[in-house]
Amino acid sequence: AQSVTQLDSQVPVFEEAPVELRCNYSSSVSVYLFWYVQYPNQGLQLLLKYLSGSTLVKGINGFEAEFNKSQTSFHLRKPSVHISDTAEYFCAVSDGAQKLVFGQGTRLTINP
Amino acid sequence: DVKVTQSSRYLVKRTGEKVFLECVQDMDHENMFWYRQDPGLGLRLIYFSYDVKMKEKGDIPEGYSVSREKKERFSLILESASTNQTSMYLCASNHRAGPQHFGDGTRLSIL
Repeated sequence: AQSVTQLDSQVPVFEEAPVELRCNYSSSVSVYLFWYVQYPNQGLQLLLKYLSGSTLVKGINGFEAEFNKSQTSFHLRKPSVHISDTAEYFCAVSDGAQKLVFGQGTRLTINP
Repeated sequence: DVKVTQSSRYLVKRTGEKVFLECVQDMDHENMFWYRQDPGLGLRLIYFSYDVKMKEKGDIPEGYSVSREKKERFSLILESASTNQTSMYLCASNHRAGPQHFGDGTRLSIL
């Protein structure tokens, strides 16, 4: 069985500061990894995905994530955040079958 | 762009009522999913369907059923609504193991 742990439930940062949202997973097989963002009163939107190849993955809105197989991590980073990045972020893992397993979510709050 | 449409954004129902949540996707995806989202618990899979008339239980199917009579439509049914089913419900679809595309959600309150 797979599982995902997002290590921080809330992350407050100042505008234009860098941010890292942490995600660890467990799985006995090869995995596909995803980060989704949820803005208030909306559904989830795909930020980026790792399927294979380069371990550094770039996504939309200036976000990137690095797949680290030895540490079973897939942390999300952005070098300089904006007020509009305020949202909840979800890490998810799949073994290639249809289902996704989600983490509990990290609420990112950007302060001016 | 993929469009996943959930029929209601907000819904208020009474305990014991039969409740239908509808979801339609326009990209001919074979897979469709129903999740519920609760604070601190992330998204939990209720049911999914990988083809018309096919369904599989997710992690929390108790108290729910689903129907998929057409490829584009996936319905979630609360047979007898209870207050502990008050939640945000999200529908998603995808093609094979590709990224899931989500609707905007239905916030359901059971009084």
